[in-house]
Amino acid sequence: DTEVTQTPKHLVMGMTNKKSLKCEQHMGHRAMYWYKQKAKKPPELMFVYSYEKLSINESVPSRFSPECPNSSLLNLHLHALQPEDSALYLCASSQSPVNQPQHFGDGTRLSIL
Amino acid sequence: AQTVTQSQPEMSVQEAETVTLSCTYDTSESDYYLFWYKQPPSRQMILVIRQEAYKQQNATENRFSVNFQKAAKSFSLKISDSQLGDAAMYFCAYIASLGDEKLTFGTGTRLTIIP
Repeated sequence: DTEVTQTPKHLVMGMTNKKSLKCEQHMGHRAMYWYKQKAKKPPELMFVYSYEKLSINESVPSRFSPECPNSSLLNLHLHALQPEDSALYLCASSQSPVNQPQHFGDGTRLSIL
Repeated sequence: AQTVTQSQPEMSVQEAETVTLSCTYDTSESDYYLFWYKQPPSRQMILVIRQEAYKQQNATENRFSVNFQKAAKSFSLKISDSQLGDAAMYFCAYIASLGDEKLTFGTGTRLTIIP
């Protein structure tokens, strides 16, 4: 069982829809991450939250909006996505932003129609 | 900028045999961490093993061990007694001890286990 829980596991949405991805961890980790992964490629970092503050935004388009309501939760709000945004979205957490291994969730498979 | 290179896109090994996956990296930092992650078709990224650069001793986790050559900037993963459940995509990853919190991944090696 994964210690980082992501919901939903699959999501199909139209380009005009608004949806959210959710990530939760109860390991007391203080850093949380969103990655985008295309098929047969490594994960690409999107956002890093460190102690509930956004510390890294890898020039991600504004149609992706992260939110960290508390130290256990991380959301990714989606709006007006494009077909090329179809991918696996992985959430991860680590005890601290550096030095510690990241623990990943199972991911959300997102398809944009 | 740090880079991580995995030169073997695909590898295969007979069940119960030993296989070594290669990884090289480039960095100007002296203190950093290296990881091997496994991603089976179930898609969850699973940490296999980690190595601190300041430690000379190679890390070992059961059937998984690394050969860490700091001067050569090489970090290979050896899987002994390969099992069907080892079939997955394996990613080598690097993070600096101080700095920008970014985990840099290699391009991955797809490992197939032949029964």
